This record gives sequence, structure tokens and C-alpha cells, in this order.
Amino acid sequence: GAVVSQHPSWVICKSGTSVKIECRSLDFQATTMFWYRQFPKQSLMLMATSNEGSKATYEQGVEKDKFLINHASLTLSTLTVTSAHPEDSSFYICSARVGRTGGQETQYFGPGTRLLVL
Amino acid sequence: AQKVTQAQTEISVVEKEDVTLDCVYETRDTTYYLFWYKQPPSGELVFLIRRNSFDEQNEISGRYSWNFQKSTSSFNFTITASQVVDSAVYFCALSEARGNTDKLIFGTGTRLQVFP
Repeated sequence: GAVVSQHPSWVICKSGTSVKIECRSLDFQATTMFWYRQFPKQSLMLMATSNEGSKATYEQGVEKDKFLINHASLTLSTLTVTSAHPEDSSFYICSARVGRTGGQETQYFGPGTRLLVL
Repeated sequence: AQKVTQAQTEISVVEKEDVTLDCVYETRDTTYYLFWYKQPPSGELVFLIRRNSFDEQNEISGRYSWNFQKSTSSFNFTITASQVVDSAVYFCALSEARGNTDKLIFGTGTRLQVFP
């Protein structure tokens, strides 16, 4: 149980284009989903927290207009990198959990999406 | 403030050796949760264990064991008789029970390489 998928697994795009990444919880309903970014050989950096039906909460320093997050259903959240630039190239990982709040809830992670902006 | 420290950046061992990955945390809360995740080369984070602050009992799962000591704010992870498939980056993480600040705080990870 607790399987989270991401699509696409990797994407190469030209500078200036927008890229949408999907995160799905396959066998449970995810009230809360998280989006992380990971640079090579570094830890995960939380970008934003999204609760189903609410606006996402962005971490300090993350541009909400650049990284659009939509969590329209209990099994799907999307991250859109708008007008991508080479510095946006990274490994994007989502996670999902059942509860809306509560640090005791385990987050289950997707396999990640590698984005390369040329 | 919350903080997780994994002082070991990289560890290399030979198969069948035992290896311990250290994790030290800081938190002001009395109720908190500790996690270990494994990130193999494929990139996906695999959940290994969750431990709450009121349960200091050590846990063993096959070749994996965890030693939680509140007195030293440590939650160390030991792999017994390591195997090549254990090669991965291992992350220790902390979350608190507060409703609006229940994010996972990750350590910087320890890269484990197990050689045949």
C-alpha cells in the first residue's frame, strides 16, 4: 500500500516553456501533498505544502507564480514550472499523506521527476 | 528550532560488514516523530521507519535496527551484514506534532556504498 506515482519521470524542455508534473496517490486518499526539490548530492528542500481544495502554502524563497501548484482532488496534485529556465533544472519529488495536519503521519514519496531545461 | 544532523557524509564498507548511520536531532517540542528514508540511485525515497518521542524502545526489522536515545537526541540506524543492495543515500527526518508546522525536516543524508 501507500504508493505514490509521478509523471513524467523525466523531461527535457527549452527555456521559456512551461512544464507540468503530476503526482498521484494510487491506493489512498491524500489530503496533503508536498513538493520538494533536490539538487545533486543534496538533501530535499520543501517547496510547498498543498491541502486538497485549498491554496498551497509556499516556503520562504519559493516563487508561487513560478511554481504553480494545484491539488484539485484527493489523489492528484500538479506542479507547473512556468517559463522554465536552466536554473530550474532539478529533481522534483512529491510526497503524500492521509492527514491534513499531524507530524505523526508518514509521508510517502513518489519516484521523482528529473527536469532539464536547455 | 528544529534541526537534523547527519554528520557522516559518505560511508564505504565491504559486504557483510555492519554499519551504523548516525542521526542527531534538535527540537523544543516534547512530542515529535523521527523517520528514516532510503534513497537508492533510482531516486525514489523509501520509507523505512517512524518513531514517536514517547517510544524509546529499539526496533529491529530483519538486518535493520534502530537505536533511539532521547538523552542524547539520537536516532541511529544500523545495518547488519550489509549487502550491495543497501547502497543508497539514507535520510533521517524529524517532524513535530504541531498542526501548522508538521513539515518533515531532513538531514543532509549519508551516502552508503557497499562494495562486494
